Order: sequence, then structure tokens, then C-alpha cells
Amino acid sequence: GDSVTQMEGPVTLSEEAFLTINCTYTATGYPSLFWYVQYPGEGLQLLLKATKADDKGSNKGFEATYRKETTSFHLEKGSVQVSDSAVYFCALLSNFGNEKLTFGTGTRLTIIP
Amino acid sequence: ETGVTQSPTHLIKTRGQQVTLRCSSQSGHNTVSWYQQALGQGPQFIFQYYREEENGRGNFPPRFSGLQFPNYSSELNVNALELDDSALYLCASSLEQRGFGTGELFFGEVSWLTLL
Repeated sequence: GDSVTQMEGPVTLSEEAFLTINCTYTATGYPSLFWYVQYPGEGLQLLLKATKADDKGSNKGFEATYRKETTSFHLEKGSVQVSDSAVYFCALLSNFGNEKLTFGTGTRLTIIP
Repeated sequence: ETGVTQSPTHLIKTRGQQVTLRCSSQSGHNTVSWYQQALGQGPQFIFQYYREEENGRGNFPPRFSGLQFPNYSSELNVNALELDDSALYLCASSLEQRGFGTGELFFGEVSWLTLL
């Protein structure tokens, strides 16, 4: 079955540091890949997505590239801010007949001023 | 703000009881999905409703049931509650074209269910 493996957290970085959160997946066919983010006290929200191999999703300075050869979708940001502190979830959609997303376990990110 | 609202946001139950959670979808959306998130885990898909019909179900027993109303709001019902049902419950709405999923979900606030 489908699965998503995320980098174990929590991750603590200083402001302006470079961020990488690793995500690898197992899926049948050609899934779409997503990063969702949950800020403190808020619901999950879509951060970025990629629908086919070599696509790069980007939003709010975050980027992730769909790598089919390594089955990965790592999240990166060049210079993190305190406001980026949140829990980040990698997810995939492989059955396009519905919205059954398969999520990773989440990575808690804390940015220190 | 996503326009998706859930209620109640916190509730405490005991084993064997029943619970109903409600979700109003974002205006213009025709699909509601329900997820369960246990402590330290990612959300797990329970089921989805598209235009009032169940359209996909995860690995949850039949005591998890739901429905969707003509205004596309939805309910999640859980009967015969068990201790393992203690979790966050997430509702998400989306706009599907002829039941084709996009993965672009709009989540509301969560419902915290605690079993004593």
C-alpha cells in the first residue's frame, strides 16, 4: 500500500538558517505529492504541491521537487523565519477517484530568534 | 480562514457511547473528507462524501459512519466508542469535478475527542 516516510523531528533551527525536511514515499502509479503545514492553533493548510516527476512546487519561499527516481519530495527553504515554526506534513494522492491523502507522521519545526 | 467549520471542538466521552461531529464546508465546495489523527501520527483517511454519496473509505470499521447533506455539510458518527478512538478528527472540504480528486483540501479547526 501507499506510505510516506518523513524525517523524524523535532527540528530546531536558528532564524535565517537553511531548512531541509526529508520525505520519501511508496505508491502505485504516479501519485501527486503535497506538503501541508499546521501553524500553532490552526488547521492544516496546503503549502505546495507537485503532480508529476521533476515538477517543483513552491510557496512562501518553500520549495520541493518531485523526484521519481529517488521517490522523494524534500521540503527546503533558504532562510527560515520564526513565523515558519509549525508542524509540516508530507502527503501523497494516488487514487484520483477521491481525496484519500496518505500523510507522513509530521515534523515539528521550531525556529529560534 | 478556510470557511470550514467543525463542531464541537472538544468533547469527552466514555467507552460505549456515541458521538456526532459536524462540519460545514467552504462555500462552493461539493466534497467533504474526514480524517482521524492519533497522537504523534499523521492524519488517516476515514471516508469522503461527494454530492451526498460516500466516495471512498479508509481502513475504519462500520461503526464509523457519516452522511452529507444537500448543502454539502457533513456529519461523522462513531458508535460504541473505544479507547483507541481518542484522537483529533479533521474535516476538509474541496471542489471535485465528477469525483476526480485533486488533493487540495481545505481543513477547518479540529475536534478533540477524549475517551475516559
